[in-house]
Amino acid sequence: GAVVSQHPSRVICKSGTSVKIECRSLDFQATTMFWYRQFPKKSLMLMATSNEGSKATYEQGVEKDKFLINHASLTLSTLTVTSAHPEDSSFYICSARRSGGRAGSGELFFGEGSRLTVL
Amino acid sequence: GNSVTQMEGPVTLSEEAFLTINCTYTATGYPSLFWYVQYPGEGLQLLLKATKADDKGSNKGFEATYRKETTSFHLEKGSVQVSDSAVYFCALSGFSGNTGKLIFGQGTTLQVKP
Repeated sequence: GAVVSQHPSRVICKSGTSVKIECRSLDFQATTMFWYRQFPKKSLMLMATSNEGSKATYEQGVEKDKFLINHASLTLSTLTVTSAHPEDSSFYICSARRSGGRAGSGELFFGEGSRLTVL
Repeated sequence: GNSVTQMEGPVTLSEEAFLTINCTYTATGYPSLFWYVQYPGEGLQLLLKATKADDKGSNKGFEATYRKETTSFHLEKGSVQVSDSAVYFCALSGFSGNTGKLIFGQGTTLQVKP
């Protein structure tokens, strides 16, 4: 099946630094990728929709200047948490929709997730 | 707005017991419905889906029927195994104006004891 890889799987950083998380579709092209944040014992919260070659669409309440998303190619999207603070500590998950997949069809493939801990 | 509500967990069952995890939704248009599973230490995987009313999704012994009249998509399995212990998420997509993103329920943790 389709594979989506996230890197790093775990990262610990100091408060005030920036962290970049990569999401790659390994065996398919993805024009659209989604970034989610998962809190302990809570559901996944959609942060933004990342479209290749254009600006990301952020959900209400998500700071676009803090969570920078870049989708420079059909196989790579990156999430950069800028000036990270302890409250940004969370599990971040990306998903990718195969190019040509029908919107709403659910043909999404998820990465393994990246756990960010900000000290 | 569009939303998904799942039963509170954790659900603790003995092996071979019958499982039901309730899921109800609110959506505009004609959404598709999904169950995703997250095993310990792993990412989410699609378990099953249904794209229109009265459809039944099934996989690995799990089933769920898309009930438009009750806006529900309850997950069932006749005989659970220890290996089914995981977090289960109900989700919807394809509602009016949707770009393909999924809206998830809060997740239900299932613990199966030998």
